[in-house]
Amino acid sequence: GEDVEQSLFLSVREGDSSVINCTYTDSSSTYLYWYKQEPGAGLQLLTYIFSNMDMKQDQRLTVLLNKKDKHLSLRIADTQTGDSAIYFCAEVHTGGFKTIFGAGTRLFVKA
Amino acid sequence: DTEVTQTPKHLVMGMTNKKSLKCEQHMGHRAMYWYKQKAKKPPELMFVYSYEKLSINESVPSRFSPECPNSSLLNLHLHALQPEDSALYLCASSQGGAQGYTFGSGTRLTVV
Repeated sequence: GEDVEQSLFLSVREGDSSVINCTYTDSSSTYLYWYKQEPGAGLQLLTYIFSNMDMKQDQRLTVLLNKKDKHLSLRIADTQTGDSAIYFCAEVHTGGFKTIFGAGTRLFVKA
Repeated sequence: DTEVTQTPKHLVMGMTNKKSLKCEQHMGHRAMYWYKQKAKKPPELMFVYSYEKLSINESVPSRFSPECPNSSLLNLHLHALQPEDSALYLCASSQGGAQGYTFGSGTRLTVV
């Protein structure tokens, strides 16, 4: 079946690292994504990882993938107030035309 | 141009009105999408167009009618909507594969 689960809220202090977690159920997922949505805006693609990779780093962002446990995480280093937003985990199956989104994690960054 | 442009940004319509949402991209993406997003919820897929042909309709009520006039444009025609259809309507495009989607900023629709 298709299901992507995330915790709903995360609160961190400015300068700390944030870790947002996601679990997915479909082992046939090919690509896994993290999107960011700020209030009143559309979704912005942050990063993605192929299902045959374990880790991907892109500046302050680190994505870790545990295929055995179907667990995906996004680590944001040196979290800033501008990182406050909703973060969606998403999976796409082969063909890339249907994306399944998690419920989203609302990140609060305290100054 | 690396954007998806949606118009209008806000729309208030009555239940007997007919209106259209518009979406445009000039990135040469071959797929375009309509998503509906209610407050505090993830986007829900409505329609997918691939090479200007409708390839996925997620059992959307017929009061929503998509149209893809060419590879850069995507419309969503609205007729006889209900108040529960009030939501943020997001358009996205993609080249398929790993690159993910580029989303527009959405149209905030209120049905009164």
